[in-house]
Amino acid sequence: GAVVSQHPSWVICKSGTSVKIECRSLDFQATTMFWYRQFPKQSLMLMATSNEGSKATYEQGVEKDKFLINHASLTLSTLTVTSAHPEDSSFYICSARDGGRTSYNEQFFGPGTRLTVL
Amino acid sequence: KNEVEQSPQNLTAQEGEFITINCSYSVGISALHWLQQHPGGGIVSLFMLSSGKKKHGRLIATINIQEKHSSLHITASHPRDSAVYICAVRAFRGSQGNLIFGKGTKLSVKP
Repeated sequence: GAVVSQHPSWVICKSGTSVKIECRSLDFQATTMFWYRQFPKQSLMLMATSNEGSKATYEQGVEKDKFLINHASLTLSTLTVTSAHPEDSSFYICSARDGGRTSYNEQFFGPGTRLTVL
Repeated sequence: KNEVEQSPQNLTAQEGEFITINCSYSVGISALHWLQQHPGGGIVSLFMLSSGKKKHGRLIATINIQEKHSSLHITASHPRDSAVYICAVRAFRGSQGNLIFGKGTKLSVKP
């Protein structure tokens, strides 16, 4: 199946700093990428949806100035957590939809990035 | 009531047992995904279904669109199958067709 990579897989940072997480589709062009957040023992919560070359669409309650998303190419999207605080500590997962693979646009998930803010 | 319900929430099985995880949904969908999440956190897409049945190795997924129900079966279960299995549906509504996730079924297979 198609591969989606994330980097870094884990990061520890000090409160107030910014952290950038990269998501790449390795063998397909991702027309749409999704960013999710997952709290312990809970399901994935969609943060935002981004289409290549356009601004991301954020879900209600997600601060766009805090979680900056850039989808500059068909294979790369980045999530930057700005001025991180301990409450931003979470598991962040990206997902990419392959617009060309099937008529139903199969969706693939990255391995996730565990962020710990001290 | 959640739009995607999974049962059971937790499941413990002995190695070799046949396992079934169920997923019911209440919205019109274009596709249903079964995902596997291991303790390390990474998610693997097992199946995407819009009708009928798919098989991959020891895993079988079925969907009944009329009854809005899907099942994931694992034959000859093994401890390495221990993970959280998540059902997710792509609803017709909305321009993005974003996935709606179930809460997951935690499977533990004992040797």
